[in-house]
Amino acid sequence: DTGVSQDPRHKITKRGQNVTFRCDPISEHNRLYWYRQTLGQGPEFLTYFQNEAQLEKSRLLSDRFSAERPKGSFSTLEIQRTEQGDSAMYLCASSFLPVSSGNTIYFGEGSWLTVV
Amino acid sequence: AQTVTQSQPEMSVQEAETVTLSCTYDTSESDYYLFWYKQPPSRQMILVIRQEAYKQQNATENRFSVNFQKAAKSFSLKISDSQLGDAAMYFCAYTKSDFGNEKLTFGTGTRLTIIP
Repeated sequence: DTGVSQDPRHKITKRGQNVTFRCDPISEHNRLYWYRQTLGQGPEFLTYFQNEAQLEKSRLLSDRFSAERPKGSFSTLEIQRTEQGDSAMYLCASSFLPVSSGNTIYFGEGSWLTVV
Repeated sequence: AQTVTQSQPEMSVQEAETVTLSCTYDTSESDYYLFWYKQPPSRQMILVIRQEAYKQQNATENRFSVNFQKAAKSFSLKISDSQLGDAAMYFCAYTKSDFGNEKLTFGTGTRLTIIP
């Protein structure tokens, strides 16, 4: 069990550029989540996959954001035309059992995005 | 909409002493789960303890225990015999026990400092 890994850990980009983050979940986990955490705030839910299907998206996920999990394994989160307000830590998490049954999700260390 | 409130942005405690972190939440659901997550500096968030709403008995995990007051919608975390490794951000989180729900709602966190 290598845990949830995220890449890159830190990204500085100019406003208007596109960025992509990758998440590799724990291998047997079929559920994968993206959260966003800004300074002084708790994580906010962005989206959820079960296998390759994206089953829920938050209103926070504007049309500049797109997430994929093409083969039900790793996932990517792309932000197009970045804005300064996108500066945050993007957290990926995975689980095998549903959150609604009180099961924990396992977080990665996050990808920090700074838009200048 | 469900909300989670942590009114203590920062707390400090002397090593070996006891500290209590507060959390209140708002929901119209009767069946749900509450969690405390720990986020150490530059490390991934991990589950500390969870509570099922329909269980009256407060959850305990070694030095960590909760005081769950369902009617008051209060869910505090008590850390006994505080250790230097307990220094972290602590987030209270909520999820409703609803088939298909995979979303956690987090509070804004409490930064806990341990004084040697």
